[in-house]
Amino acid sequence: GENVEQHPSTLSVQEGDSAVIKCTYSDSASNYFPWYKQELGKGPQLIIDIRSNVGEKKDQRIAVTLNKTAKHFSLHITETQPEDSAVYFCAASDGTGNQFYFGTGTSLTVIP
Amino acid sequence: KAGVTQTPRYLIKTRGQQVTLSCSPISGHRSVSWYQQTPGQGLQFLFEYFSETQRNKGNFPGRFSGRQFSNSRSEMNVSTLELGDSALYLCASSSGLAGDEQFFGPGTRLTVL
Repeated sequence: GENVEQHPSTLSVQEGDSAVIKCTYSDSASNYFPWYKQELGKGPQLIIDIRSNVGEKKDQRIAVTLNKTAKHFSLHITETQPEDSAVYFCAASDGTGNQFYFGTGTSLTVIP
Repeated sequence: KAGVTQTPRYLIKTRGQQVTLSCSPISGHRSVSWYQQTPGQGLQFLFEYFSETQRNKGNFPGRFSGRQFSNSRSEMNVSTLELGDSALYLCASSSGLAGDEQFFGPGTRLTVL
């Protein structure tokens, strides 16, 4: 089955700096890659996603890149703010698209 | 449009008991997936229900079971609770189409004493 690895597990950045979180996947049939943000006491919230026919997608300060050949995808957050502090999860859906596999999460802390 | 709701939000049980958790998906969504979230293991997929049928299943023992009703609401049951079952149980709602977005509920925090 699919295996998703996520790095780093923790990340601290100064407010205004950029943050990058990287994930790799193993199943070349995976074709949908969402990113979730989870704040304390809440369920994961979808923040951005990318499909395998696209190499990059951007939404304001958040961008995701996908390299299908290398089987890795990354989340980029620019101009970080304290409210970006949370745990971020990457995921990949399998070839059927109905089962999702998650990375182990990155705890991001933005220092004011 | 209302989001995904889960009840109860918090639950305390003792070893050996059983528990039932409930999830109401977003209106119009026909797929409900269940996940177990623990600090050490992250989000682990339990199973997915689509149109009242279990469509996918993760690697959990038979003590974990679920069902889905005709209105797409889903329940998850854990029998003979163990200490290691303490976790946040999340359900996710989607249309059920391949690769469609999943939206999570707030979760049920289960503590087994």
